[in-house]
Amino acid sequence: ETGVTQSPTHLIKTRGQQVTLRCSSQSGHNTVSWYQQALGQGPQFIFQYYREEENGRGNFPPRFSGLQFPNYSSELNVNALELDDSALYLCASSWRDYTDTQYFGPGTRLTVL
Amino acid sequence: GDSVTQMEGPVTLSEEAFLTINCTYTATGYPSLFWYVQYPGEGLQLLLKATKADDKGSNKGFEATYRKETTSFHLEKGSVQVSDSAVYFCALSGVGTNAGKSTFGDGTTLTVKP
Repeated sequence: ETGVTQSPTHLIKTRGQQVTLRCSSQSGHNTVSWYQQALGQGPQFIFQYYREEENGRGNFPPRFSGLQFPNYSSELNVNALELDDSALYLCASSWRDYTDTQYFGPGTRLTVL
Repeated sequence: GDSVTQMEGPVTLSEEAFLTINCTYTATGYPSLFWYVQYPGEGLQLLLKATKADDKGSNKGFEATYRKETTSFHLEKGSVQVSDSAVYFCALSGVGTNAGKSTFGDGTTLTVKP
């Protein structure tokens, strides 16, 4: 059983650019959630995908968008990067159920200059 | 919306001391409650969970009881070890119109000294 993987590990972008982060969910899981974790804070929920459709969204602007593919892997896209977008981006997979345990990937560290 | 409040850290204890990390929540309905732990250099991992009122989650000597009347889910351990040094996050999984949305606290850093 493979765990949740994310790529890349680190990324440096400049303000105004666009970025795509990738996540492969744990085997057997059909739900992926994305989080933004600023330094010293807890993860903030961005959105969740279940069977290729957005299933819930947190308080993030539309320039944060995502996709889930038929193999349940996922992408997070951020357009028009701002300095405040610098953070650790976490992906978590689960089998859809509101009681379910989420399995987290190691994260992608994004720095916006 | 839903929210989770954890006691502010950091917390420093001597080995074998008793640990309590407070967590209270605000949510509609009956959310599931979780404690996640992040060890140095590692990713977030589930420590324990409870899915309904009065349930007790337990793992690795840690316990937490889902208290609906006080909207709390405090984490406890009777005797901490140096290896328990980590950041602990309380979280809930929303229900109803918030189904699919998870809310985390800001984390509490625990340092255990030998």
